[in-house]
Formats: sequence, structure tokens, C-alpha cells
Amino acid sequence: DGGITQSPKYLFRKEGQNVTLSCEQNLNHDAMYWYRQDPGQGLRLIYYSQIVNDFQKGDIAEGYSVSREKKESFPLTVTSAQKNPTAFYLCASMTGDYGYTFGSGTRLTVV
Amino acid sequence: AQSVSQHNHHVILSEAASLELGCNYSYGGTVNLFWYVQYPGQHLQLLLKYFSGDPLVKGIKGFEAEFIKSKFSFNLRKPSVQWSDTAEYFCAVTTNTGGFKTIFGAGTRLFVKA
Repeated sequence: DGGITQSPKYLFRKEGQNVTLSCEQNLNHDAMYWYRQDPGQGLRLIYYSQIVNDFQKGDIAEGYSVSREKKESFPLTVTSAQKNPTAFYLCASMTGDYGYTFGSGTRLTVV
Repeated sequence: AQSVSQHNHHVILSEAASLELGCNYSYGGTVNLFWYVQYPGQHLQLLLKYFSGDPLVKGIKGFEAEFIKSKFSFNLRKPSVQWSDTAEYFCAVTTNTGGFKTIFGAGTRLFVKA
């Protein structure tokens, strides 16, 4: 079945560490997105990529970085510069009609 | 700035009650409108969408939504909810202002009592 796979499902990070969240898709979609979901705030866009080797900052890109070396993969790194990283992170790809297909998410907790 | 407002953050209903979740957006141009649902422990999935044509759109599981352009609204409705409709519902609007941009509402948590 086609879809988006995010891993890990749960991730714990110590203060000052960088961590990388994986996102892989087999839908052959060009555009991929990273969103952060916080209670009561909906989804906020971190980064997006419309084509391989290209990506753009979203609304809350500070403290995050991405790469898009392959069409199938769009990993997100949460750096130590991100002051409040505890959140639920969602990866998505965009279908031809501007709707999203979402992964199951990664819950990141700073310990 | 463009925004999407969902009026109720939490809604509690009994089974068989009717549901209406409000969604308003602020943007004067052409929009594509979506409702997504996130069931407990599951990923976000598309419930229904509107691009053009009939402003009353029907989605999965008996949900429908009506686009009222004059009110900038896209409210979600279901005549009779079930316990299995317990979930969080997100309204989203895609605009084209020098590139497509999607804005999500804050979400509405629906709890249906059996």
C-alpha cells in the first residue's frame, strides 16, 4: 500500500541534542511537508519541499533543518537551537488536488 | 494575514445528535477547502474537500460541508453522530498567493457519548 512512513513513533531528546525524524513516501509525490502539531494550535508549517534538492522555510522554521536528496525521503532535524521542541511532528505529501496525505507522526519529548 | 478559525475547541454530543462544526477563513481570493479528521491513535485523513461547483460537498462516513462564499465559511455537518465519530477535526484552506499555501484551523475535539 502506498503511504507515508514516519519513524520513530516516539523520540526522547536530551537538552542540547540534535535529533532527526525520518519521513519516507512511496506515493511518487513531488511535494512534501513537515508540520508541527501542538494542542489548541492546529498544524503549523515548518518546512516544505516541492522538488528534489529544493526546500523552503515555513512559518516556524527556526531551530529546524531539512534535506531532500531523494524524492522519497524528507528527513527533519530538530536542532538544539529549537527552544521548545516537545511536540507532535507530522510529515505529509501533497496530492494533485492540493490535499495532503499524512504520516502517523512522531511524538518528540525533551527530557 | 490569512487565517482559519474554528469556533469550538471542544464539543460533547450524545449519539444520534446532529453535528455542526464551524469554520471561517479570511482570504478574498480563490480557495480550496478541506476538512481532515484525526481519530484517536490514527493519522490525519481527508474527510472531504471543495474546489468548485456545488457548494454542498459530501465526504466519507456521512459527513457533509457547505461552502458559503459570502460568509467565508465551510461548516462541517453530520445529521446523526456515532460514538465512532469521536475525533479531532481540522478545517484547512489552500490559497494561491504567489504559491500555494495551506492554513489549518486550531482543531475541534469532538467527544460522542454512547
